[in-house]
Amino acid sequence: EIVLTQSPGTLSLSPGERATLSCRASQSVNNNCNCLAWYQQKPGQAPRLLIYDASSRATGIPDRFSGSGSGTDFTLTISRLEPEDFAVYYCQQYANSLWTFGQGTKVEIK
Amino acid sequence: EVQLVESGGGLVQPGGSLRLSCAASGFTFSGYWMHWVRQAPGKGLVWVSRISGDESSTNYPDSVKGRFTISRDNAKNTLYLQMNSLRGEDTAVYYCARRSASGGWFDYWGQGILVTVSS
Repeated sequence: EIVLTQSPGTLSLSPGERATLSCRASQSVNNNCNCLAWYQQKPGQAPRLLIYDASSRATGIPDRFSGSGSGTDFTLTISRLEPEDFAVYYCQQYANSLWTFGQGTKVEIK
Repeated sequence: EVQLVESGGGLVQPGGSLRLSCAASGFTFSGYWMHWVRQAPGKGLVWVSRISGDESSTNYPDSVKGRFTISRDNAKNTLYLQMNSLRGEDTAVYYCARRSASGGWFDYWGQGILVTVSS
């Protein structure tokens, strides 16, 4: 099983600031793709896909969200936080047939 | 419009069974792998099971293998999760999710259904 470790656990920032979230895999998630996705989840809602293949934005996702990385180290960056961006963010790997998620990073208003 | 709607949740005693359903619409259901993901109260997301579009293959993590069974009825556009020998740690919101046609990520999710295992 590939273990994903997200850091920090909580990020306290103000609207307009830049957010940088990290996701580290216990082994490479490169398997004919950078097989890593990012999701946003707000309280009481289902997760929403933001980024797939480490750096491709999903349909309708604003360009302030960007993903980068390869192998075992990945980053989700929100260039300027909007009020609606305060939420929990999860990374997920799909490199093999045992899909796993990170434990989440909460982005909260400072 | 793609829609996934879960049903069948509720309160069940430890050791009991429950079957969840996920009604799909707005896409060619048989053409997509489908998954179940759960989230315990206040916790993170955990993948629970996956089934191929033609039902020929399934996968489970060790935590539910032998107790949970994923299945689908493509004629009814419905995904199922049969949960047996339920434990307190199975208490969670259960989501069905569609695997993208282009890769392994989940592009659509249902709204979730709560399963509570308690005496």
